[in-house]
Amino acid sequence: EVQLVQSGAEVKKPGESLKISCKGSGYTFSSCWVGWVRQMPGKGLEWMGIVNPGDSEARYSPSFQGQVTISVDKSLSTAYLQWNSLKASDTAIYYCARLLSGSWADTFDFWGQGTTVTVSS
Amino acid sequence: QSALTQPRSVSGSPGQSVTISCTRSSSDVGGYNYVSWYQQHPGKAPKLMIYDVNRRPSGVPDRFSASKSGNTASLTISGLQAEDEADYYCCSYAGRYTDVGFGGGTKLTVL
Repeated sequence: EVQLVQSGAEVKKPGESLKISCKGSGYTFSSCWVGWVRQMPGKGLEWMGIVNPGDSEARYSPSFQGQVTISVDKSLSTAYLQWNSLKASDTAIYYCARLLSGSWADTFDFWGQGTTVTVSS
Repeated sequence: QSALTQPRSVSGSPGQSVTISCTRSSSDVGGYNYVSWYQQHPGKAPKLMIYDVNRRPSGVPDRFSASKSGNTASLTISGLQAEDEADYYCCSYAGRYTDVGFGGGTKLTVL
């Protein structure tokens, strides 16, 4: 059974750093890109970027380029989303999702449960 | 970046059909070839319902169908059921990673 299990909820202060994780199982992790999607409170889904576990290549939406870092550790079957300096506006639920094999960038066939990040002073 | 417009809300009675549109703002119709649709119930992760414009993953009822004409993709749900009440999002990749994203979402209410 394909599963993506994300790390737990985080409460941080503005300016702090954070790295959340997404561990894949039930499939060959390196064979499918993994993406991150943001959902701010009461708002819609936003495509942030994707990473190729095979070679660690990451591609970002222009809205998130330079704001976050998407990485992967193939040996741990885990993808990461990282901030160097959080802002209150980063408060959101962050989902990781597996890109359907052979898809380009719009088809996420399995999703993690979401990680709630709260940034508040 | 992709600019996809969806109606904020649609509604229908059980057994009826509803259609949710997703219109791409660019005139580059040729690039609007990859469209997926997601269902999200409150407090839950999104679920893939349609991909490659009109393909259904296994396990998705055939009451869900989709199509595309020009700049507008559409999701149709026939034989509405109470459990279909959810938010629906389209997502499109138009050939460049600077041009991929979700629509604003449509809240479906089953009356």
